[in-house]
Amino acid sequence: AQTVTQSQPEMSVQEAETVTLSCTYDTSESDYYLFWYKQPPSRQMILVIRQEAYKQQNATENRFSVNFQKAAKSFSLKISDSQLGDAAMYFCAYRRGGGATNKLIFGTGTLLAVQP
Amino acid sequence: DAGVIQSPRHEVTEMGQEVTLRCKPISGHNSLFWYRQTMMRGLELLIYFNNNVPIDDSGMPEDRFSAKMPNASFSTLKIQPSEPRDSAVYFCASHGTASNYGYTFGSGTRLTVV
Repeated sequence: AQTVTQSQPEMSVQEAETVTLSCTYDTSESDYYLFWYKQPPSRQMILVIRQEAYKQQNATENRFSVNFQKAAKSFSLKISDSQLGDAAMYFCAYRRGGGATNKLIFGTGTLLAVQP
Repeated sequence: DAGVIQSPRHEVTEMGQEVTLRCKPISGHNSLFWYRQTMMRGLELLIYFNNNVPIDDSGMPEDRFSAKMPNASFSTLKIQPSEPRDSAVYFCASHGTASNYGYTFGSGTRLTVV
């Protein structure tokens, strides 16, 4: 069974600094997708970034980027120039490829605080 | 696009009452998922549908929980009878045919059973 592990329950960063959130996963599949979701206090689940396992290039979305290490099964999220609005719970998620019917498996989340 | 719409946003009910949560997926999305979020267990998949057909309900905690998707634009999650341990945030999410995208979540229903 696939699992997703986030080993940092809480993290803190100063405004304008950079922070990296860790995620590891376990799977025997070769076709899969990885995601980071953000959940602010409003509780809305917001897709931050995604990575296709077959792509070697790390995904980037503005201030958000990932470090995807397929062999190590590691998928960390880097937030650059942190802003107060980045404060939220961040979830790493895995989905097996091969079609639209595969479920998202979530990690336990990392609560990020941004200090002014 | 209005996104995934869930109702109600908040629900407070007494133990033993029936509770029905509702979800309208994004038009054109053919997969729908119900998740439950609690502090103790995190985000758990309860059930998902593909083309209105239940595919995997192994996450449904017990017979008190049931879910239906009578058409492509509507799904319900029902708890009967409700218990205090069912208190949680229930999310609905939908997904389209572009398989490299994550799912779009609704705003969730916060259920409190007293």
